[in-house]
Amino acid sequence: AQKITQTQPGMFVQEKEAVTLDCTYDTSDQSYGLFWYKQPSSGEMIFLIYQGSYDEQNATEGRYSLNFQKARKSANLVISASQLGDSAMYFCAMRERQSGGYQKVTFGTGTKLQVIP
Amino acid sequence: DTAVSQTPKYLVTQMGNDKSIKCEQNLGHDTMYWYKQDSKKFLKIMFSYNNKELIINETVPNRFSPKSPDKAHLNLHINSLELGDSAVYFCASSLHSRLAGAGGELFFGEGSRLTVL
Repeated sequence: AQKITQTQPGMFVQEKEAVTLDCTYDTSDQSYGLFWYKQPSSGEMIFLIYQGSYDEQNATEGRYSLNFQKARKSANLVISASQLGDSAMYFCAMRERQSGGYQKVTFGTGTKLQVIP
Repeated sequence: DTAVSQTPKYLVTQMGNDKSIKCEQNLGHDTMYWYKQDSKKFLKIMFSYNNKELIINETVPNRFSPKSPDKAHLNLHINSLELGDSAVYFCASSLHSRLAGAGGELFFGEGSRLTVL
């Protein structure tokens, strides 16, 4: 079973509009972390935002916010006021504990976002 | 100073050859990872080390051998290269935390693009 599911392979958004990228996850742990990364066409992985499973408030970082709905096991990324530079692949990821106490970070398949002028 | 640096950035080689990719981090992190990103952009964890100890070893062919001489370095050696090994290999590091819901994000290197002809 997929640990992280991103159901939108591609999305379009008009410049200056807001966009939501979906992410659902599957874990039976109580303690876990959720991340979003951006990968522009240049290839580097850029960390955007983090949400811990015990955090009661949704994480925000500038124009990025994470809509965390624990009961639904969803961690959607909201980008407000889209810019042309937001065009990229976006990956949702989850860190959870493995047997032996160590942690593993698993990535979703990504969503390609294109911002239209 | 680059936080996580990988060399080489590009690698073109023939099938059957052996090659190595080196990774170094200057963040003082104790956990390092190798991820493989295939042509469909899917990021899959291969290995993880914590303080030089191998803690995650996914179902990777034993032609792939990681080595961590100290906690700041994690190298990847690949024997008998095959066409299917063509991919971008990312090194990453993070702080270890006992709680998966705590700790920081993964810091990625720029990636090493391996092309096997």
